[in-house]
Amino acid sequence: EDQVTQSPEALRLQEGESSSLNCSYTVSGLRGLFWYRQDPGKGPEFLFTLYSAGEEKEKERLKATLTKKESFLHITAPKPEDSATYLCAVVFSGGYNKLIFGAGTRLAVHP
Amino acid sequence: DAGVTQSPTHLIKTRGQQVTLRCSPKSGHDTVSWYQQALGQGPQFIFQYYEEEERQRGNFPDRFSGHQFPNYSSELNVNALLLGDSALYLCASSSRGSPDTQYFGPGTRLTVL
Repeated sequence: EDQVTQSPEALRLQEGESSSLNCSYTVSGLRGLFWYRQDPGKGPEFLFTLYSAGEEKEKERLKATLTKKESFLHITAPKPEDSATYLCAVVFSGGYNKLIFGAGTRLAVHP
Repeated sequence: DAGVTQSPTHLIKTRGQQVTLRCSPKSGHDTVSWYQQALGQGPQFIFQYYEEEERQRGNFPDRFSGHQFPNYSSELNVNALLLGDSALYLCASSSRGSPDTQYFGPGTRLTVL
């Protein structure tokens, strides 16, 4: 069964304390892995797409990396405004554009 | 450039009623997907519409149906509402040139009493 697992479920950081979020997947024929940010009561906001192992993408304090079995979202020197739920999703070959999501990591950054 | 829009923002219904949610895709996008997100969970795929036809469907009962119009906007209909249908309903759109990258709307919060 195709699955996406994110860890940890929740993460509390002090402002400036760097850390990483993990997304592991078990799908046949990964076509793409996506990271989204979601604020409470809002729709997910697209951050990155990764297509192949070894690929990296960066945006401000965020950096996403991909291996054959997992992806990491690295947060460098976070600020309180980075507090949100970060969702990982995958698309697999034969699945059209159906996104399979993990449950997310709730990140809280305290000043 | 307008992003994905959804209406209404919030909706309260009672068990057994029917509901219709609406979505307008991002400009230049022709594919619309619908997701259901329960509290504390990731979004679950309901179905996807392309060229006014349902292209793929997730594990949702036939009470969930949809439609896509010639202008690419879409509706999600849910019949015989159950308490368990309470959730945030998200619409996402994508383009033929980049079909995998989906942009989400703000969602419709449905509460079933």
